[in-house]
Amino acid sequence: GAVVSQHPSWVICKSGTSVKIECRSLDFQATTMFWYRQFPKQSLMLMATSNEGSKATYEQGVEKDKFLINHASLTLSTLTVTSAHPEDSSFYICSARDWGSQPQHFGDGTRLSIL
Amino acid sequence: AQSVTQLGSHVSVSEGALVLLRCNYSSSVPPYLFWYVQYPNQGLQLLLKYTTGATLVKGINGFEAEFKKSETSFHLTKPSAHMSDAAEYFCAVSAGNQFYFGTGTSLTVIP
Repeated sequence: GAVVSQHPSWVICKSGTSVKIECRSLDFQATTMFWYRQFPKQSLMLMATSNEGSKATYEQGVEKDKFLINHASLTLSTLTVTSAHPEDSSFYICSARDWGSQPQHFGDGTRLSIL
Repeated sequence: AQSVTQLGSHVSVSEGALVLLRCNYSSSVPPYLFWYVQYPNQGLQLLLKYTTGATLVKGINGFEAEFKKSETSFHLTKPSAHMSDAAEYFCAVSAGNQFYFGTGTSLTVIP
């Protein structure tokens, strides 16, 4: 149980394009979803927290207009990297948890490469 | 406020030897504690968790961890390392809706 699916797993695109990453909870309702960014050999950096039906709460230093988060349903959240540039290349990971349950369940991550 | 400190960013053990990965936390409220494992180019997989009750927690793949309130520690152990245990390990503490990760420990298993 508690499976989180993240798609796509790998994307390569040109500078200036927008990229959408999906995060789905397959067998539970995700009241809260989290988006992380991870640089090589480093820990996870929380970008934002989203609750279903509400605006996402962004961490300090994360551009909300650059990283658009939508959590329109209890099973789906999306992260859109707008006008992506090479410095946005990174490993993005989502996680989700249901109401009253403490562990976060993670997706397998998306490797984003901007050329 | 909550925080997590993982001592040792890299740990190497021989195959069959004891694995010990250290985690200390600080929390102003009773913490929930977790260990996650990350394999290359993958997300994080929950190894085990402590919420309440028994302080010795058993997880998957033969790992276990003991919550020691007096030492504010939650060290991860495995009696005998296997080559497949080579990965990145993250300790985390949760309080309310906030989750705090340690900086991770890279485990190398030497054949």
